[in-house]
Amino acid sequence: DAGVTQSPTHLIKTRGQQVTLRCSPKSGHDTVSWYQQALGQGPQFIFQYYEEEERQRGNFPDRFSGHQFPNYSSELNVNALLLGDSALYLCASSLGMPDTQYFGPGTRLTVL
Amino acid sequence: QKEVEQDPGPLSVPEGAIVSLNCTYSNSAFQYFMWYRQYSRKGPELLMYTYSSGNKEDGRFTAQVDKSSKYISLFIRDSQPSDSATYLCAMSAAAGNKLTFGGGTRVLVKP
Repeated sequence: DAGVTQSPTHLIKTRGQQVTLRCSPKSGHDTVSWYQQALGQGPQFIFQYYEEEERQRGNFPDRFSGHQFPNYSSELNVNALLLGDSALYLCASSLGMPDTQYFGPGTRLTVL
Repeated sequence: QKEVEQDPGPLSVPEGAIVSLNCTYSNSAFQYFMWYRQYSRKGPELLMYTYSSGNKEDGRFTAQVDKSSKYISLFIRDSQPSDSATYLCAMSAAAGNKLTFGGGTRVLVKP
C-alpha cells in the first residue's frame, strides 16, 4: 500500500518565478492538506482540499493556490516567489473521522 | 504568542533512559492531540493520536493529555539511538480540521 507521495523531491527557483508541487494521497484517502515547514520550525497549515474544493485555509497570501483532481491528487501553486518561500512543503492525506493525517516526504523548495 | 509552545531542545539522553517531551497550548477548543516524529529532511511520521484528556500507551510510547492545564506529554521508555529525531506535537479543534503544530523538540539518544 503506497503512502503519500510528492514530487519533485527538490526544486530551485529564483525570485518572481512560479512553482507547482504535486501530491498523491495514500490509497483510499480523499482529503489533502498542505503545510509549509521552514527550517527549524513546525509545519504551518496552508490549505486543505476535499471533493475538489478548498475546505479550509491558513494565513497564507493569495500567491498560494491549489487544486484537487477527481482522483484526489493535488497540486500546490506558488506565484511570484519570495526568498521567504524557501521551505519544506509537506502534503498530508486523511479520510473521514477520526482525523489522522499521514504525511509525505515533502518537497524542498529553495528560492534564490 | 504561539498557540502551541514546545521546547526546541536539544534534549540529550543516554541509551535506555526515559525521554520526556511536552507541549503547552492556549486554545481551549483543541480536542485532538498528536505526536509526530520527524527525521532530518523527511516528512513527519504519526506516533500517537489521542482524543480529549487521558493516557494512551503504545509499546514504548505513552501519551498524556491534561486539558485542564492545557498540557500534553509524550514519554519514550527504553530509548534507542534510532529514536534520535525531532518530535512534533500537533493538535486540532475538530476531526478533519487543520493541525496546529509546536516548533518541535530535537532529541539525541547517545549510545
